[in-house]
Amino acid sequence: AQSVTQLGSHVSVSEGALVLLRCNYSSSVPPYLFWYVQYPNQGLQLLLKYTSAATLVKGINGFEAEFKKSETSFHLTKPSAHMSDAAEYFCAVSGGGFQKLVFGTGTRLLVSP
Amino acid sequence: GAVVSQHPSWVICKSGTSVKIECRSLDFQATTMFWYRQFPKQSLMLMATSNEGSKATYEQGVEKDKFLINHASLTLSTLTVTSAHPEDSSFYICSADDRDNEQYFGPGTRLTVT
Repeated sequence: AQSVTQLGSHVSVSEGALVLLRCNYSSSVPPYLFWYVQYPNQGLQLLLKYTSAATLVKGINGFEAEFKKSETSFHLTKPSAHMSDAAEYFCAVSGGGFQKLVFGTGTRLLVSP
Repeated sequence: GAVVSQHPSWVICKSGTSVKIECRSLDFQATTMFWYRQFPKQSLMLMATSNEGSKATYEQGVEKDKFLINHASLTLSTLTVTSAHPEDSSFYICSADDRDNEQYFGPGTRLTVT
């Protein structure tokens, strides 16, 4: 069984500040981990994914995440927030190979000027 | 990158009628497609896994006879909400697996049942 926990349903940052969105996972098999972004009334866009290669994963729009097995974490970071980063972010886990994704409850990122 | 489309993007129907939602992978073949449901301000909940040429696998608690899924080809899966009721109003999102351990998501379909 797999699950993810996203700490904080809302995160507020100022434009230019560091973004840190937390995700912890639980998996009985080596996990594949994903971060998605969702803008209002739209589908999900993949930001980045971890599939057992490099533990530090770089994604689109300046985001990156680090897989830490000892902490069972896959936190999402961005050095400098932009207004356009305001959206809902979902962490997800799967066992790979056509297996279903299990999503966290999401974190809404608010960016203030 | 891989593109998944959904049609329609929004639909309003009367209670008791049926609605079909299409999910297409535009530039790749998808043996497996997934259907999710998302309530306002909530996460995505997997409804079913759709495999081309075989019956869909439904998640626990999802009514198979109410949410009919057909995956007739490697680029098309359909979800039919039968005898829709107001509680079926939701945002339905599909995704397609590109065989590279990555799911590409459609833009979603907002269903409102009056």
